[in-house]
Amino acid sequence: SAVISQKPSRDICQRGTSLTIQCQVDSQVTMMFWYRQQPGQSLTLIATANQGSEATYESGFVIDKFPISRPNLTFSTLTVSNLSPEDSSIYLCSVESGRNTEAFFGQGTRLTVV
Amino acid sequence: AQSVAQPEDQVNVAEGNPLTVKCTYSVSGNPYLFWYVQYPNRGLQFLLKYITGDNLVKGSYGFEAEFNKSQTSFHLKKPSALVSDSALYFCAVKAGNMLTFGGGTRLMVKP
Repeated sequence: SAVISQKPSRDICQRGTSLTIQCQVDSQVTMMFWYRQQPGQSLTLIATANQGSEATYESGFVIDKFPISRPNLTFSTLTVSNLSPEDSSIYLCSVESGRNTEAFFGQGTRLTVV
Repeated sequence: AQSVAQPEDQVNVAEGNPLTVKCTYSVSGNPYLFWYVQYPNRGLQFLLKYITGDNLVKGSYGFEAEFNKSQTSFHLKKPSALVSDSALYFCAVKAGNMLTFGGGTRLMVKP
């Protein structure tokens, strides 16, 4: 299993500002994943972050809005830029230790944009 | 493209009664199936998975799930529900590197 520390756990931000979310894993992992969970909804994959390469974004998500860093095999950040109320969601990071193994999740970051 | 359907937004059950949370899936090739639980203000916790082998999979907290290939289903079950099982449950299917989640089912267990 993997233990994931995600910060901050929640934040309230002003429109037009940005929030950077950190995800720290207790072991080295090849891929890290960032998800968005809008209020009352399921999880949607934002992007996959590989160490040493550009993140791969899913349809509807762009790097300018959701820049991701992956400086090493245990850490990643997701920035949500130019915030609007529609960005109010829970953001979760996730890792998998192997191809057919289960995913492990951070506790999530609850973002409220006012 | 793969997809997951959880037909019930909410399931209500009395404590001590058996519970079932339904999940059907669509995927090309062999399915890798998962159940996760989310408690309020928490991330997702892994419950169980089906990769291959026995169709009945046992997981954490007394939960089990039955893989049915002909019905493309992977329903979550527990013989005797607890009030503490009340949470949001997600079924997920994996194809390649992508994990796709169902819409979630809120389980309410009444004392």
